[in-house]
Amino acid sequence: SYVLTQPPSVSVAPGQTARITCGGNNIGSKSVHWYQQKPGQAPVLVVYDDSDRPSGIPERFSGSNSGNTATLTISRVEAGDEADYYCQVWDSSSDHYVFGTGTKVTVL
Amino acid sequence: QVQLVESGGGVVQPGGSLRLSCAASGFTFSSYGMHWVRQAPGKGLEWVAFIRYDGSNKYYADSVKGRFTISRDNSKNTLYLQMNSLRAEDTAVYYCAKDHRATAFDIWGQGTMVTVSS
Repeated sequence: SYVLTQPPSVSVAPGQTARITCGGNNIGSKSVHWYQQKPGQAPVLVVYDDSDRPSGIPERFSGSNSGNTATLTISRVEAGDEADYYCQVWDSSSDHYVFGTGTKVTVL
Repeated sequence: QVQLVESGGGVVQPGGSLRLSCAASGFTFSSYGMHWVRQAPGKGLEWVAFIRYDGSNKYYADSVKGRFTISRDNSKNTLYLQMNSLRAEDTAVYYCAKDHRATAFDIWGQGTMVTVSS
């Protein structure tokens, strides 16, 4: 089955840039989606199709995808960005939907 | 506004059954595929099942295949998950989610907790 690997944690100072990676075999050939989940809340889609943002999501959230790594970038980090972030793809070979292991973003 | 509201969670003994429901509003339910996703306490997200807009195709995670059944009633704007032969490892918050272009989940409910314990 397809596996997506994320770093367990990322720490960043307010106003700086956080980068969260998502590794998978030839992930560049797939569409990658990113979700933000704050404690006690449901996940929220923040980036879809590698780099598009749903309405209402700040431009500070951006994404890229190439080779074996996809990246979610949060610019000008704010305290309210502290959350768990998950990448996700659809694996066409199995018709399964796969989530990454998740990354906890801490704002210092 | 677009809303998904899950219900039906609770405590059940190992080997027991439970049926979850997800009431949809604010969008044309019959035009979209729907998913169930779960999250065990302190763990990450795990996709459980998907059903096409018209119910013609259903896919399941290997961990639930043969035990869980996803279904929908488009006349009632409601999604279901019938869970049989429940195990301790099925303990989780279960979310329903609206499908986005058959690859992602763009709207989520607030979740309903299922606890499998004797």
